[in-house]
Amino acid sequence: AQSVTQLGSHVSVSEGALVLLRCNYSSSVPPYLFWYVQYPNQGLQLLLKYTTGATLVKGINGFEAEFKKSETSFHLTKPSAHMSDAAEYFCAVSDRGNNNDMRFGAGTRLTVKP
Amino acid sequence: DTGVSQDPRHKITKRGQNVTFRCDPISEHNRLYWYRQTLGQGPEFLTYFQNEAQLEKSRLLSDRFSAERPKGSFSTLEIQRTEQGDSAMYLCASSPPRGLAGWTGELFFGEGSRLTVL
Repeated sequence: AQSVTQLGSHVSVSEGALVLLRCNYSSSVPPYLFWYVQYPNQGLQLLLKYTTGATLVKGINGFEAEFKKSETSFHLTKPSAHMSDAAEYFCAVSDRGNNNDMRFGAGTRLTVKP
Repeated sequence: DTGVSQDPRHKITKRGQNVTFRCDPISEHNRLYWYRQTLGQGPEFLTYFQNEAQLEKSRLLSDRFSAERPKGSFSTLEIQRTEQGDSAMYLCASSPPRGLAGWTGELFFGEGSRLTVL
């Protein structure tokens, strides 16, 4: 079964600094990979996804992620953090089978300091 | 497209009471998922429906939990004899048919129903 590990439960950056949130996955088949963002007391909103094709994917709010098969990683980056980026970020993996059940990491809380 | 809606958004109950949550998926989505999220954790898969058929259940779904999707549209999640450990956010998500053009496996989430068991 597929699984996700997010390194670092809390990440703190200064406004304008690079954001790097780490995600490693385990899957027996080529995975679909996702990053979701969650603001307090809200549901999950998709930031970006990798299915096939280009390994560097761009998402909303200036975020991007690169699928690296050799490293089984899908790290999320943003060149310049904004105060509004403060939230919980979840990496997720799903298989390509019929069930499409998605498995999430434990999440990384991003704090942005002024 | 009105999105996935969940009701109620918040529920406070006493231990031992039964609670029911409702989820209305996006109208053309035939797949519906329930997840549970506790504080500081990622969502944990509970169960999955394709149309009205419940195709997968997690071992997290004890016999006090039951989910239904009787007509393949909305779904309910009932928790009987609630315990304090049931306190969590219950998230519903839906996705379109797998064969649909542009299908990517993305799940569309509702705002969640937060349960507090006293």
